[in-house]
Amino acid sequence: GENVEQHPSTLSVQEGDSAVIKCTYSDSASNYFPWYKQELGKGPQLIIDIRSNVGEKKDQRIAVTLNKTAKHFSLHITETQPEDSAVYFCAAGIIFGSGTRLSIRP
Amino acid sequence: GAGVSQSPRYKVAKRGQDVALRCDPISGHVSLFWYQQALGQGPEFLTYFQNEAQLDKSGLPSDRFFAERPEGSVSTLKIQRTQQEDSAVYLCASSLISAGTGNEQYFGPGTRLTVT
Repeated sequence: GENVEQHPSTLSVQEGDSAVIKCTYSDSASNYFPWYKQELGKGPQLIIDIRSNVGEKKDQRIAVTLNKTAKHFSLHITETQPEDSAVYFCAAGIIFGSGTRLSIRP
Repeated sequence: GAGVSQSPRYKVAKRGQDVALRCDPISGHVSLFWYQQALGQGPEFLTYFQNEAQLDKSGLPSDRFFAERPEGSVSTLKIQRTQQEDSAVYLCASSLISAGTGNEQYFGPGTRLTVT
């Protein structure tokens, strides 16, 4: 079945630096790739998404890139802030990665 | 406006008991999804409704799990004869349009089920 792999599982960056999270997927028919942020005790919240007809999308400090040929997509957060600390999940449709715990060091 | 709500937020059940978890989606949302999230893991798809029709239940782990959405709004996930491996957070999400699984989903806060 469909599988999504996500790396790294934990990431610690200095406040103000950039963070990058990478995912690969197995089903070449996948066409919708959302990214979610989950804070403790809350459900996942969509932060950005990309569809297969687009290679890159940006929303303020957050950007996502998609390489359909290689079946991988990435989340980029620039100028990180303490409130960016959370667990981030990528997904291919309804299939989620295993998550990245992002910590921002002051 | 109101988001997706789930109740109860926490549920403790003795092994062998039946439980029912409720999801109230955003008003007017056509699609509704249930996921199971084990500690430290990503959500795993359980089942999907479009209005009252259950279009995909391939993720339900066993026949002890049953979901319904009889009037196309509120949904209930029922687990019969609970076992310890059922302990997890159960998430509900809704989506405005009905074009399958490729659209923005809004998640509720989840129900944390602990089976003792």
